[in-house]
Amino acid sequence: AQSVTQLDSQVPVFEEAPVELRCNYSSSVSVYLFWYVQYPNQGLQLLLKYLSGSTLVKGINGFEAEFNKSQTSFHLRKPSVHISDTAEYFCAVSSSGSARQLTFGSGTQLTVLP
Amino acid sequence: SQTIHQWPATLVQPVGSPLSLECTVEGTSNPNLYWYRQAAGRGLQLLFYSVGIGQISSEVPQNLSASRPQDRQFILSSKKLLLSDSGFYLCALVGQVNFYGYTFGSGTRLTVV
Repeated sequence: AQSVTQLDSQVPVFEEAPVELRCNYSSSVSVYLFWYVQYPNQGLQLLLKYLSGSTLVKGINGFEAEFNKSQTSFHLRKPSVHISDTAEYFCAVSSSGSARQLTFGSGTQLTVLP
Repeated sequence: SQTIHQWPATLVQPVGSPLSLECTVEGTSNPNLYWYRQAAGRGLQLLFYSVGIGQISSEVPQNLSASRPQDRQFILSSKKLLLSDSGFYLCALVGQVNFYGYTFGSGTRLTVV
């Protein structure tokens, strides 16, 4: 079985400051990892994904994440946030041998303050 | 590219009324399809998933049901809505060729009054 823990339910940060949203997972097999963003009253949009290869993954809107197998983490980072980055962010994991089932974390609300 | 359409965007229904939410897919064949619900201030709850026509797996026993009458159509239904059915409902798909994560629809905001 796999699980995902997003360690912070809410993260307030000032505009142009850096941010890190934390995600830890557990799985007994190789994994695929994802970050999604959800703006109010919208569906989820894929930010970035790790399938294999380089552990540093770059996504849309200036976000990046680093896969750390030893710490079973996949933290999301952005060096300088904008007001428009205010949204809910979801981390998700899928075992590479699974029937394409994603397990989502509980989400982190990022609020960028002026 | 694969796309997913959900409607309606918002819906207000009285308690005890029936429900039908529809999700249709373009750009892929034989996808896996999923229904999720988000209650206010909560994460994503997987309700149903389907790997093919007529094949439905239920994750949470409740007042809802799902059907897949066609390859690219996924329907969420209820015979009698409860107040607790209020929430944001999302349909998602995964294509069969490569697994690059889910593609989500734009969601339906259901308010049961």
